[in-house]
Amino acid sequence: KQEVTQIPAALSVPEGENLVLNCSFTDSAIYNLQWFRQDPGKGLTSLLLIQSSQREQTSGRLNASLDKSSGRSTLYIAASQPGDSATYLCAAPHIKAAGNKLTFGGGTRVLVKP
Amino acid sequence: DAGVIQSPRHEVTEMGQEVTLRCKPISGHNSLFWYRQTMMRGLELLIYFNNNVPIDDSGMPEDRFSAKMPNASFSTLKIQPSEPRDSAVYFCASSGSNLPKQFFGPGTRLTVL
Repeated sequence: KQEVTQIPAALSVPEGENLVLNCSFTDSAIYNLQWFRQDPGKGLTSLLLIQSSQREQTSGRLNASLDKSSGRSTLYIAASQPGDSATYLCAAPHIKAAGNKLTFGGGTRVLVKP
Repeated sequence: DAGVIQSPRHEVTEMGQEVTLRCKPISGHNSLFWYRQTMMRGLELLIYFNNNVPIDDSGMPEDRFSAKMPNASFSTLKIQPSEPRDSAVYFCASSGSNLPKQFFGPGTRLTVL
């Protein structure tokens, strides 16, 4: 059974500092690795999706890397802003799971202080 | 596109009552997912439909929970009878056949007293 872990559970940084969020998974047989953002009281917004054959994906200030052999993915957010404050979740669909069934990590709650 | 639409946004009910949550996926998407999010257990997949057919319901907690997808544009999640431990935020998400990304609705916050 796939298990996805995110450490730390919470992170507080001053504005302008780079953010590094970690995600680990126990089974490397995944289709892809996805990062989501969740604002309080809202649904999840997809940020980045890294295919299993890729090493990283970039979108603006966001960069996500994937190392299947070590079962890890890292989300980097450059020059953090107060608007980046949210909970960030990673998720992975297992190759043997039906369709696009995702297993989510517990999330990292980020606070960027002005 | 309006995105995934869920109703109601908030539901407060008493233990023993029937609760029905509704979801309209993004037009053209053929996969639909129901999730439950709690502080204790995080985000859990309850059931997954593909082309209106339930594919995996292994996450449905017990027989009190049931889900249907009568057509490509509508799904319901029903809890009967509801219990206080069912209190959570329930999310619906959809994705296309060639698009692995899942798009989430705003969720329904359920409180069972």
